[in-house]
Amino acid sequence: DAGVTQSPTHLIKTRGQQVTLRCSPKSGHDTVSWYQQALGQGPQFIFQYYEEEERQRGNFPDRFSGHQFPNYSSELNVNALLLGDSALYLCASSLLSFGETQYFGPGTRLLVL
Amino acid sequence: GNSVTQMEGPVTLSEEAFLTINCTYTATGYPSLFWYVQYPGEGLQLLLKATKADDKGSNKGFEATYRKETTSFHLEKGSVQVSDSAVYFCALSEGSGGGADGLTFGKGTHLIIQP
Repeated sequence: DAGVTQSPTHLIKTRGQQVTLRCSPKSGHDTVSWYQQALGQGPQFIFQYYEEEERQRGNFPDRFSGHQFPNYSSELNVNALLLGDSALYLCASSLLSFGETQYFGPGTRLLVL
Repeated sequence: GNSVTQMEGPVTLSEEAFLTINCTYTATGYPSLFWYVQYPGEGLQLLLKATKADDKGSNKGFEATYRKETTSFHLEKGSVQVSDSAVYFCALSEGSGGGADGLTFGKGTHLIIQP
């Protein structure tokens, strides 16, 4: 059973560009969450998708947007990249029921030059 | 808003020593509490959790008790091994979805166990 997978593993972009990151959830999971982890920091919650809708959102600007597809996979889009967007982007999947665990993928490391 | 504060690292211990990593939280309601671990070169994985006050989560010899009166969830292990070397994150989630809701993480504590 494949766990959470993310692509690409690494990405280099320049300021002002746009980027799309992809996530496939663990089999049987219906909810996908995205986190940003700066170097030496804990992950910060960006948003969560369930039934193709944004269910929850953290304190991130509108430059960060997402999408969930009917097969539960998800994309994170970041527009107008800033140097400060350089980070490890983590995807986590879960079942939307109380007490369920979030399973994390290996992440996509984004470097903005 | 919600926040999690955990002790700064790195924490360096000898094998078989007793481990405590402190974690305190601020939340408006009754959150679920978690410890996640990130081993070198691997992704974040859940170590243990507790969903209500006085619950004790345990796994792989690690334990943590949800203390509402002190808003704490300290991680303990009686005898650490070299293989426990990793970064440990305390986290909380608050909302109807419990552990499936967006998590608020602490900054992480890097644990180094020397043989």
